[in-house]
Amino acid sequence: QVQLQESGPGLVKPSETLSLTCSVSGGSISTYYWSWIRQPPGKGLEWIGYIYHIGNTNYNPSLKSRVTISVDTSKNQFSLKLTSVTAADTAVYYCAREIGDGSNTNWFEPWGQGTLVTVSS
Amino acid sequence: QSVLTQPPSVSAAPGQKVTISCSGSSSNIGNNYVSWYQQVPGTAPKLLIYENNKRPSGIPDRFSGSKSGTSATLGITGLQTGDEADYYCGTWDNSLSAVVFGGGTKLTVL
Repeated sequence: QVQLQESGPGLVKPSETLSLTCSVSGGSISTYYWSWIRQPPGKGLEWIGYIYHIGNTNYNPSLKSRVTISVDTSKNQFSLKLTSVTAADTAVYYCAREIGDGSNTNWFEPWGQGTLVTVSS
Repeated sequence: QSVLTQPPSVSAAPGQKVTISCSGSSSNIGNNYVSWYQQVPGTAPKLLIYENNKRPSGIPDRFSGSKSGTSATLGITGLQTGDEADYYCGTWDNSLSAVVFGGGTKLTVL
C-alpha cells in the first residue's frame, strides 16, 4: 500500500526557510492530490496546502504568502518550502495523500509519520 | 480558535457508546463532506470516516459518522481502552478556500 515519509532539518533558525520533502512509496504520485498538514505541540491540525500531480496548487490563505509546494514526479516526491519562519511555525509537519476533488469532498489517507520542526536560534 | 467546534473532551466506560460533535456553518459542513480522524498520542492521524459516513477498509463498524445541516457527529460503540485518542473532524470551507479542522476531542475510556 502507499506509504509516505517526511524528511528534512529538524531545526530551523528564525527568518530562514523551512524545507521538507515527502517520499511516496508503494504507488505513483501521478494521481491524487498531495498535502502538507502541521500540528503545533499540544494543539490541533492545520492544513497548509496541496499540489496536484500536474502541478496545480492550493494553499491555506493564512500561509499563502510564505508557502510553496512542488512536485517531482520522476522521484515520486513532493516538497514544502515555508519562508520567514518564526517560533509560531514550530510544529510536527505531516505529508498526506488527499483523496477527493480538492474541495467539496476530500479526505487524507494515508499520512506520513510526521517530523518535528523547531524554529529556534 | 478553530473554524469547526468540537467538545474538548468526552468520556465513557468500556463497552459503552460515545458521540463526538463537530459544529460548523453553511460555508463548510453545510455544503461539503466531512471526514474524521483518530490520533493516538505520539502518532499520525488515521482516517476513520470519509464523505460523512463511509468507513475505509479495516475500520470496524463500531465507528460511524453522520451529518445534519451544519453539524456532524462521530459515534463509537463498544468502547475499548484502545479507543483512547484525540479525534478530529475536517471539511472544506468555501469562504476560506481551505481545508479546516476542528480543535480536536480527547476521548477517555474510564
